[in-house]
Order: sequence, then C-alpha cells, then structure tokens
Amino acid sequence: DVKVTQSSRYLVKRTGEKVFLECVQDMDHENMFWYRQDPGLGLRLIYFSYDVKMKEKGDIPEGYSVSREKKERFSLILESASTNQTSMYLCASSLYRVAEQYFGPGTRLTVT
Amino acid sequence: AQSVAQPEDQVNVAEGNPLTVKCTYSVSGNPYLFWYVQYPNRGLQFLLKYITGDNLVKGSYGFEAEFNKSQTSFHLKKPSALVSDSALYFCAVWQGGKLIFGQGTELSVKP
Repeated sequence: DVKVTQSSRYLVKRTGEKVFLECVQDMDHENMFWYRQDPGLGLRLIYFSYDVKMKEKGDIPEGYSVSREKKERFSLILESASTNQTSMYLCASSLYRVAEQYFGPGTRLTVT
Repeated sequence: AQSVAQPEDQVNVAEGNPLTVKCTYSVSGNPYLFWYVQYPNRGLQFLLKYITGDNLVKGSYGFEAEFNKSQTSFHLKKPSALVSDSALYFCAVWQGGKLIFGQGTELSVKP
C-alpha cells in the first residue's frame, strides 16, 4: 500500500512566522501535490511537482512556495503566515500524471 | 463554467437503502473522472475512476459509479448503505493537467 505521511497533524503558528509542512511518500511516485481544503470549497491545488527539483503553480500559489530536493519528499512553505492561511493542508502523490492520487492524513494549520 | 459540480451538499439515507451521490462535469474531450471519500479527520481515499471502457465502474467498499456521456454525469452508487459509509465524498475530473475537485457531498447514513 502507498503510504503518504505528513509531518504534523495539528499545527498552531503566529502571524508572520515561516511555516514548513513536510510530506513523504514511500512508493517511488514521480508526482506530488499540495492542496488546501476549506469547507464548501473542496480541495484547491497550491503547487505540484512532476519530478525532483521541478515545481508548477496550481490554482492558489500566492503566499506559498515548495521544495522538492528528493523524489520522496515535497515540502510546502508559508513564507509569512497569515490568518487567511488557516486551513487543512493535504499532500498527495501519484504514479502517473493521470492517475489516482494517494493522500496523506492532512495537517490542520491554525494561524493566530 | 465549473468543471465539476456536486449539486447536493448533503445526502441522507437509511441504512440498507440504496444511495446515490451526484456528480456532473463540464470538460472538453474525453473526461477522466474520479471519486474519493474522506472520513472525519482523515485524508482522502481513492474509491474508483473512469478513464475509458465500461460505463459502469466498480470500486472499493462496494461502491460503483456510472459514466453517462449524454448527461455528463458520473454518479456514485451503492445498493445497500451502511452506517460506516457516512463520510464526505468528492468527485474530481482531470482537466488542464490537474485534478479539479467538486465541493464535496456529506453522506449521512442513519440506522
């Protein structure tokens, strides 16, 4: 079974802090994704990566950056956290581009 | 236009009854369609997909979905609902190099 792990289940940060969310997958998947989930809005794609050191902007990249130095690890960075970034963050990976994505358990981030 | 729509925020079903969670899509060309389920405080789990082939797709936990090209729909179904099926369900369509998710439908199955 594919396993996608995220570094924290719950995180509380202050406005202006730099925040790192880590995601690791163990199935040698090429493709990795970061989403945020908000009630009534479904999932919105922040960034994705189809290869190591490669990144593409999703639908809502403003205020975020990513890093993919190794195939199995994809990090989401909030450069200066703001209260409107309070959300559930979900990481996913897939073997092929057009394929089912496997999700981590999510990180519920609260910015105060 | 919205690429994927789930017209019902919530669906209530009695245990043992059939359930349907609706999804419609709007993409050009042949659609690639997916269903996911999210249990409380968990990530999403893949249920099933339609890429090509038979219009009736069978997936995990006894769920199935019917692709209907003329109605541009991909409704999720199960013949007999369980209380444990209560969860948030997402339909998704592949468009423009990424998965576009619907807003989700909360399924509640009562004993």
